[in-house]
Amino acid sequence: QVQLVESGGGLVKPGGSLRLSCAASGFIFNDHYMTWIRQAPGKGLEWLSFISTSSSYSHYADSVKGRFTISRDNGRNSLYLQMNILRAEDTAVYYCARGGGDSNAFDIWGQGTMVTVSS
Amino acid sequence: SSELTQDPVVSVDLGQTVRITCQGDTLRSYYVSWYQQKPGQAPVLVMYGKNNRPSGIPDRFSGSRSGNTGSLTISGAQAEDEADYYCSSRDSSGEDYVFGPGTKVTVL
Repeated sequence: QVQLVESGGGLVKPGGSLRLSCAASGFIFNDHYMTWIRQAPGKGLEWLSFISTSSSYSHYADSVKGRFTISRDNGRNSLYLQMNILRAEDTAVYYCARGGGDSNAFDIWGQGTMVTVSS
Repeated sequence: SSELTQDPVVSVDLGQTVRITCQGDTLRSYYVSWYQQKPGQAPVLVMYGKNNRPSGIPDRFSGSRSGNTGSLTISGAQAEDEADYYCSSRDSSGEDYVFGPGTKVTVL
């Protein structure tokens, strides 16, 4: 079935780095823009970044611009989020989702992976 | 602060109709999408575009837009509809996305 599975979350110290992965299955991955969205504990959803089908175009929220990098490997049906210079306020559940670009909807979501930034 | 605004809490009696609204200037140009999130679960898309329901979403969910306001209506609310509902659309730049702060729907 159509599925997204995130991995790579964990505990990291402020200033540290982490790389999240999202494995896609059940659909033609390289036909779809992909997006990262996060949710801090007890808070709402925050869009972070999307990447085009061929990786030629990506865009970031101001809160992560210059620190986070989105990428994808269509051969591996995988999406990534490299997170550098992490701050306490980056603590959140990180979701990958299908959609972005011209599609103003995120129709498939992963279960999320928790990132905790703390000393 | 979010460019989209939502009422924080809305309650509805079982079997009655509830409308959840989302306001923002960008909704004059872009459609809104709606997500349902239950505790401990990932969000689920329930409505998008003009009035499109993904496969598997009950037809008691419907959507509309008027001016700067998008609406999600649940006609005949069920106990399982109790959840947080988030709207989303483009931001003022037209490049990025933004989510509303969410509406907690309680079914009485």
